[in-house]
Amino acid sequence: GQNIDQPTEMTATEGAIVQINCTYQTSGFNGLFWYQQHAGEAPTFLSYNVLDGLEEKGRFSSFLSRSKGYSYLLLKELQMKDSASYLCAVLDSNYQLIWGAGTKLIIKP
Amino acid sequence: EADIYQTPRYLVIGTGKKITLECSQTMGHDKMYWYQQDPGMELHLIHYSYGVNSTEKGDLSSESTVSRIRTEHFPLTLESARPSHTSQYLCASSEGREMSEQYFGPGTRLTVT
Repeated sequence: GQNIDQPTEMTATEGAIVQINCTYQTSGFNGLFWYQQHAGEAPTFLSYNVLDGLEEKGRFSSFLSRSKGYSYLLLKELQMKDSASYLCAVLDSNYQLIWGAGTKLIIKP
Repeated sequence: EADIYQTPRYLVIGTGKKITLECSQTMGHDKMYWYQQDPGMELHLIHYSYGVNSTEKGDLSSESTVSRIRTEHFPLTLESARPSHTSQYLCASSEGREMSEQYFGPGTRLTVT
């Protein structure tokens, strides 16, 4: 079966750095997405990785290792508004998105 | 900013009723999707469409139907609502390229009593 694993919940301090991990086992791989979802709102796109390595976009960076079936989202200089769920999703061999359950990130002052 | 709309935003309805959830996008996207999401859980794909007159069932068809008569419009119909249908329904759209990101509407929170 296809499976995506993320921690259920993480807590971090305002101004700090946090890394949210995602491991996946899917039938084929055509890229990995990260989305942010604030409580009660719709997901919004953060990043897309298809090649190994780190993609940096402002305070957010996303890393991919295809051989390890692993990705992480790195958030720097955390702000209170970063409190949200972060969803990892993999595009499988049929170009269908397989979604993880998301990691709820709690930012404390 | 994405231009994708859903109505109603909230709906409380009795068991057995027929309901239609509306979704429209003004971006000219070929692909559209319906997802169901319970709190703290992953998104489950209900239906998707790759263009006009194209509809496919996802992993969770949920006793619902969709239609795609116009590019911008992708309504979801529940023929007979049940309490198990209580959930958040999210509509999304994307460009034709396979790796395009999806843009989501604000969602419809449905409660079936």
